[in-house]
Amino acid sequence: SQTIHQWPATLVQPVGSPLSLECTVEGTSNPNLYWYRQAAGRGLQLLFYSVGIGQISSEVPQNLSASRPQDRQFILSSKKLLLSDSGFYLCAWSGSSNRVHIQYFGAGTRLSVL
Amino acid sequence: GENVEQHPSTLSVQEGDSAVIKCTYSDSASNYFPWYKQELGKRPQLIIDIRSNVGEKKDQRIAVTLNKTAKHFSLHITETQPEDSAVYFCAPRGGGNKLTFGTGTQLKVEL
Repeated sequence: SQTIHQWPATLVQPVGSPLSLECTVEGTSNPNLYWYRQAAGRGLQLLFYSVGIGQISSEVPQNLSASRPQDRQFILSSKKLLLSDSGFYLCAWSGSSNRVHIQYFGAGTRLSVL
Repeated sequence: GENVEQHPSTLSVQEGDSAVIKCTYSDSASNYFPWYKQELGKRPQLIIDIRSNVGEKKDQRIAVTLNKTAKHFSLHITETQPEDSAVYFCAPRGGGNKLTFGTGTQLKVEL
C-alpha cells in the first residue's frame, strides 16, 4: 500500500534562517506531488506541484522554493524565513493518471518562525 | 483559475440532527468533486467524492449531491455524532491535476 512520510512534525526557526522540509512517498511510482500551506483557521493554499522529476510548478509568488530530486521525494525550501512563512505545511500525492484524482496528505509540519 | 466558495463557515447542530454544507465553484470544466475532513491538528482526509457524470453518491451517513448546471455540490451528514465535529473542505478539480480548496466549514456537534 502507498504511504507518505513528512518531517519534521514541528519546527521552530528564527527569522532569516533557512528551511528544508522533506516529503517521501512509498508504494507508488511517478506520483503527482503537492505542497500546501494552511494558516491557522484557514483553508489550504497550493504552493507547488510536480508531475515528474525536476518539474515544478509554482502557484503563488513567495519566499519558498520546491525541488523534486527523485521520483518520490519532494522538498520545500527557503533561504531566509520570514514571519509570514509560519503555518502548517502539508505534502500530498496523487496518481499520475488523469483518472485518479484523489490526493492523500502527509501528517504535516507545523512551522513557527520567531 | 477556479473560484470556490463554501457555506456556512461555521455550523452547530445537535447530536442526531443533519448537517448540510454547500460549495459553489466557477470553472465549468471541473469534473471531480471531493470533500475532506480535517480534525484539529491533523491532516485532511477524503471522506467522499463524486465525479461529474453522477448526481448523487451516498456512503452510510454521508452523501454528496452535485448540480453541474448551477455549479455547486453539497455534503450531507445525517444522524450526526460528536466525532463528526471537524473542519470540512470542498476541493473541486478544475483544469489540470489541481484541487482548489474552499475556506472550510467548522462543524460542531453538540450533545
